[in-house]
Amino acid sequence: GQQVQQSPASLVLQEGENAELQCNFSTSLNSMQWFYQRPGGSLVSLFYNPSGTKHSGRLTSTTVIKERRSSLHISSSQTTDSGTYLCAPNYNVLYFGSGTKLTVEP
Amino acid sequence: GGIITQTPKFLIGQEGQKLTLKCQQNFNHDTMYWYRQDSGKGLRLIYYSITENDLQKGDLSEGYDASREKKSSFSLTVTSAQKNEMAVFLCASSMHISNERLFFGHGTKLSVL
Repeated sequence: GQQVQQSPASLVLQEGENAELQCNFSTSLNSMQWFYQRPGGSLVSLFYNPSGTKHSGRLTSTTVIKERRSSLHISSSQTTDSGTYLCAPNYNVLYFGSGTKLTVEP
Repeated sequence: GGIITQTPKFLIGQEGQKLTLKCQQNFNHDTMYWYRQDSGKGLRLIYYSITENDLQKGDLSEGYDASREKKSSFSLTVTSAQKNEMAVFLCASSMHISNERLFFGHGTKLSVL
């Protein structure tokens, strides 16, 4: 399978701080998806991003295919942002990283 | 909108037992997937089905069988449950294979005694 590395593995923030989550992949891809998963919960698609930058509220996803990296930026974090963020590059099927576990404390 | 329904939500099995997990989607999507998630880890692809009557192996297919009975349903069978095995099995679907947004069910949590 393809190699997908996410960093950091875990992150603890104080409410209001910003977060930058990284995803590196081994070979060129068709597109990138970012997912959010609450503990014990299902995965919710945050971004479907072939390349470039996309915004959704306090979230920004940037994918640079030729550099084999994607990032997810969370601004002004809230306690409800706590959970695991997974990147999934698309090589006809999705391969997942191990995720970044985010904890936002009040 | 649509929904993906996985049954059962919790499954407790015995070592060596054959166990079947079911998934139904009403998106009218062509492609369906089974992923396995171990605690603290990412998802690994077990099987996927591009369209009705199609079956493709993922990286983790050994020890599993799958069946795409009809467009809306995709089943996964654990052929011989391993002692102390514990994982969540997630079903997903997309309109077509490749470059499509994925939608996930809530998962089946498996525990083997």
